[in-house]
Amino acid sequence: DAKTTQPPSMDCAEGRAANLPCNHSTISGNEYVYWYRQIHSQGPQYIIHGLKNNETNEMASLIITEDRKSSTLILPHATLRDTAVYYCIVRVYGSGNTGKLIFGQGTTLQVKP
Amino acid sequence: DGGITQSPKYLFRKEGQNVTLSCEQNLNHDAMYWYRQDPGQGLRLIYYSQIVNDFQKGDIAEGYSVSREKKESFPLTVTSAQKNPTAFYLCASSTTSVNYEQYFGPGTRLTVT
Repeated sequence: DAKTTQPPSMDCAEGRAANLPCNHSTISGNEYVYWYRQIHSQGPQYIIHGLKNNETNEMASLIITEDRKSSTLILPHATLRDTAVYYCIVRVYGSGNTGKLIFGQGTTLQVKP
Repeated sequence: DGGITQSPKYLFRKEGQNVTLSCEQNLNHDAMYWYRQDPGQGLRLIYYSQIVNDFQKGDIAEGYSVSREKKESFPLTVTSAQKNPTAFYLCASSTTSVNYEQYFGPGTRLTVT
């Protein structure tokens, strides 16, 4: 199964861009990279996902390297409400396209005033 | 409003008792999932179901049971055989298309003493 590696914690100043890195060197060609975040004691929230092209939505941008071995989630203007644990996940395909998500320990992002 | 509901938010039980956690979704999703989260850890998959009347074990199914009699409902029973049942339990749902995201409920925090 493809695994991901993330730094355990990061700080970011409010209003600045937060860049969260993720390594997934064993990713397979058809596996997507997903990002979720979890605010304390709540259910995880989907942020964005991608296969090989960079992606952008109203919440964030996802930059995937050309060899797909790493990616970066960018929150362009971090606010205090973005303080959360951010999970980088590679979706693993099972039989019948079951596709389960494997969560690591994530990166705790602390946005500071 | 469409979404996933889990009840109750906090649940207390005595050791040796079975307890059932509720999960309901009105998103018309075919697939549903149960995860367990321990303090400071990522999520681990307990069971998942892609269709009514069918479900598969995840990575840590021992001591748990599920049923999927209706599309909207996927209750999880924590049996007395589960050695460390105290945890935060999260339910999620998704479509079964190739490229999907999982939507999570607010979670149930179970404490067994």
